[in-house]
Amino acid sequence: QKEVEQNSGPLSVPEGAIASLNCTYSDRVSQSFFWYRQYSGKSPELIMSIYSNGDKEDGRFTAQLNKASQYVSLLIRDSQPSDSATYLCAVRGRDDKIIFGKGTRLHILP
Amino acid sequence: GAVVSQHPSRVICKSGTSVKIECRSLDFQATTMFWYRQFPKKSLMLMATSNEGSKATYEQGVEKDKFLINHASLTLSTLTVTSAHPEDSSFYICSAIRLAGEVRGNEQFFGPGTRLTVL
Repeated sequence: QKEVEQNSGPLSVPEGAIASLNCTYSDRVSQSFFWYRQYSGKSPELIMSIYSNGDKEDGRFTAQLNKASQYVSLLIRDSQPSDSATYLCAVRGRDDKIIFGKGTRLHILP
Repeated sequence: GAVVSQHPSRVICKSGTSVKIECRSLDFQATTMFWYRQFPKKSLMLMATSNEGSKATYEQGVEKDKFLINHASLTLSTLTVTSAHPEDSSFYICSAIRLAGEVRGNEQFFGPGTRLTVL
């Protein structure tokens, strides 16, 4: 079983709509969760960290964590064409190493 | 967010030469840095964990004698690709962990990456 799983996409969302990105993880004891955005040809950029169950909002971004179900999601409200990128879910593992999913490609349709 | 720099951003070299890539944490000290490689349209692949003052830990399948890592200070790690070949052409990205006082608060920040092309 892969440690961090994401749907590779592409996920196409109309401009102005809500984009919903999902991620599941296998290690139940994980405590730290991250979302990164990576534009083509660029390195990943940290956009959200979440450590507790529930929602965490930052601007147009909301991260949601459900430890019982072992999933973390990222919602992007009022999607813009500039949000088109690959979004990487990352989970801190037992050895303190951060494990990345393969990423979901998001395409915002103008 | 924290700032991590890499130098050079782009390098072209001849087959058989060695290339050194520097990774610096500019506004925080990093006892741990990571080196990743990413091929076009592929996911990040962790190559090694660089620990200040000790030997790097390499992931399975990564040749430690080919990819030399030196973490000489709390703000600098270097990756040297020795005897580079065209198949080593890739996007190399480093990252550094900024300690936040609590383990769960540690965040990992990436450098801008180095695009290596071996002719």
